[in-house]
Amino acid sequence: SAVISQKPSRDICQRGTSLTIQCQVDSQVTMMFWYRQQPGQSLTLIATANQGSEATYESGFVIDKFPISRPNLTFSTLTVSNMSPEDSSIYLCSVEEAYEQYFGPGTRLTVT
Amino acid sequence: AQKVTQAQTEISVVEKEDVTLDCVYETRDTTYYLFWYKQPPSGELVFLIRRNSFDEQNEISGRYSWNFQKSTSSFNFTITASQVVDSAVYFCALHGNTGKLIFGQGTTLQVKP
Repeated sequence: SAVISQKPSRDICQRGTSLTIQCQVDSQVTMMFWYRQQPGQSLTLIATANQGSEATYESGFVIDKFPISRPNLTFSTLTVSNMSPEDSSIYLCSVEEAYEQYFGPGTRLTVT
Repeated sequence: AQKVTQAQTEISVVEKEDVTLDCVYETRDTTYYLFWYKQPPSGELVFLIRRNSFDEQNEISGRYSWNFQKSTSSFNFTITASQVVDSAVYFCALHGNTGKLIFGQGTTLQVKP
């Protein structure tokens, strides 16, 4: 199975600032996914990132707020822009291999 | 529309008890996959099992077992002889033709010593 790492593992940020989260996979994958998990909630898909094309965002998520880069088949970044306390969540990167979806360890973000 | 329902928000058991976590799903796809994930307090999501829609055989892995019933659209998860280390949030998820993974709301399992 794919091994996924994320940086940072956690951060505390001031409102109005931006944070970029990195996701690295140990193998080449076509599709990468970014999820948000708000406190005590389930996981919600933010966007799907395919290499070489624009990310596809789910309803309620916009590129200006969550810009995503996918420069190659093993790496992606998610930026949380102009943060507010409501953005405090765990952000998880995920990849799909043979219909199995694996998740990174998550980035725990607190916005004060 | 695709949907996953985990009606049990929280379950508390005493160590060594058996516990079943329920999962009911909705989909019009004929081919789909069902998953269970475990999320311990550390936050990472641990893959437990994948089952495709054409395989209704029950599966057992150590103390874990899964019961897939297409007739009732359920994919229940049983932990036998629960242990404190089983305490976590468990998510059931559905992957259909949309290519997206749809999660249930999760069930928090607390196993007390």
